[in-house]
Amino acid sequence: DAGITQSPRHKVTETGTPVTLRCHQTENHRYMYWYRQDPGHGLRLIHYSYGVKDTDKGEVSDGYSVSRSKTEDFLLTLESATSSQTSVYFCAISEGSQTDTQYFGPGTRLTVL
Amino acid sequence: KNQVEQSPQSLIILEGKNCTLQCNYTVSPFSNLRWYKQDTGRGPVSLTIMTFSENTKSNGRYTATLDADTKQSSLHITASQLSDSASYICVVSAVNQAGTALIFGKGTTLSVSS
Repeated sequence: DAGITQSPRHKVTETGTPVTLRCHQTENHRYMYWYRQDPGHGLRLIHYSYGVKDTDKGEVSDGYSVSRSKTEDFLLTLESATSSQTSVYFCAISEGSQTDTQYFGPGTRLTVL
Repeated sequence: KNQVEQSPQSLIILEGKNCTLQCNYTVSPFSNLRWYKQDTGRGPVSLTIMTFSENTKSNGRYTATLDADTKQSSLHITASQLSDSASYICVVSAVNQAGTALIFGKGTTLSVSS
């Protein structure tokens, strides 16, 4: 795995609670992404970042916010978790553009009860 | 609407046999096409990338083909091994003045049995 870690790897939480997932890279890549993967839907982009403090929405951004204060860290926050946000979340990085090869982290399995 | 359709949804083959996975896309303007392999419980890993002018790209026992005219790609796996059991995801990139979009297929789940 190309220097990408995600924490936590597993989390169970209750509806209405805030949740923050962390992605950390050691590759100094410019782009970072958050995806969710659900059965029958494949990978869907939530948010991405093209530099420190530079972020943009993906196709399923409602209910999620992100922050990137350092090149190596990209945080995904669920302000008030809902059961529909139960999913596996993947962080990915790419070097220079969105069309470059993306390298994925190991994933975080989130369950919202 | 940009779409990527993969078939079959799932496939079971015997170890040592060959198989071909299909990816049809309606993405414009086309930039490149990637195949990813995703082992159970892990993140996807890139296998091949092809641009508009490339017809074939190999990575060991994996060979991807691209027909830009018919907007079809295939991933051929030769002499399958148990470790080939995974989900294979086709991803097409589109780049225009509005920005870049990556369109993911839902994947084909391959099971190789002994």
